[in-house]
Amino acid sequence: DAGVTQSPTHLIKTRGQQVTLRCSPKSGHDTVSWYQQALGQGPQFIFQYYEEEERQRGNFPDRFSGHQFPNYSSELNVNALLLGDSALYLCASSLLADRETQYFGPGTRLLVL
Amino acid sequence: ELKVEQNPLFLSMQEGKNYTIYCNYSTTSDRLYWYRQDPGKSLESLFVLLSNGAVKQEGRLMASLDTKARLSTLHITAAVHDLSATYFCAVDSGGGADGLTFGKGTHLIIQP
Repeated sequence: DAGVTQSPTHLIKTRGQQVTLRCSPKSGHDTVSWYQQALGQGPQFIFQYYEEEERQRGNFPDRFSGHQFPNYSSELNVNALLLGDSALYLCASSLLADRETQYFGPGTRLLVL
Repeated sequence: ELKVEQNPLFLSMQEGKNYTIYCNYSTTSDRLYWYRQDPGKSLESLFVLLSNGAVKQEGRLMASLDTKARLSTLHITAAVHDLSATYFCAVDSGGGADGLTFGKGTHLIIQP
């Protein structure tokens, strides 16, 4: 049973570019949440998707957008990249009916130069 | 706005010793989570605490929750080097919203 998977593992972009990160949830999970973790900090909630719709959003600008597909996988898009967007981006999956645990993927480390 | 504070943020201790990490949160919440993160790795779920007075134990780690005081503790008993990691507590805001608010983490180093 595969856990949460994310791609790519590492990415280098320059300021102003756009990036797309991908996440496949754990088998049987229907909800995907995205978090940004800056170096030395705790993860910060970006948004959550369920049934292909954004269900909840944290305090992030509109440059951060997402999508969930019918197979529950998800994408995180960031436009007009800033140096401050450099971080580890974590995807977490869960089952909406059972909110006990969110399982985190290995993350995508994004460096913006 | 929900705020989560952990202390200490950094802890160096010797093997065999006991210690406690504290997690305070600012508003009522349904659930409190403890995660472990090794350097360069993702988050590993340790405990989910669902109600006042809940206590869970796994090996040398024990977590408890006091919802009235809005306080959770993670107690380490007879620490061993393998427990060196960063520990995060996280809280969800409840009411059907599931985005977690994390503390800044406690960086724990256990020395022989």
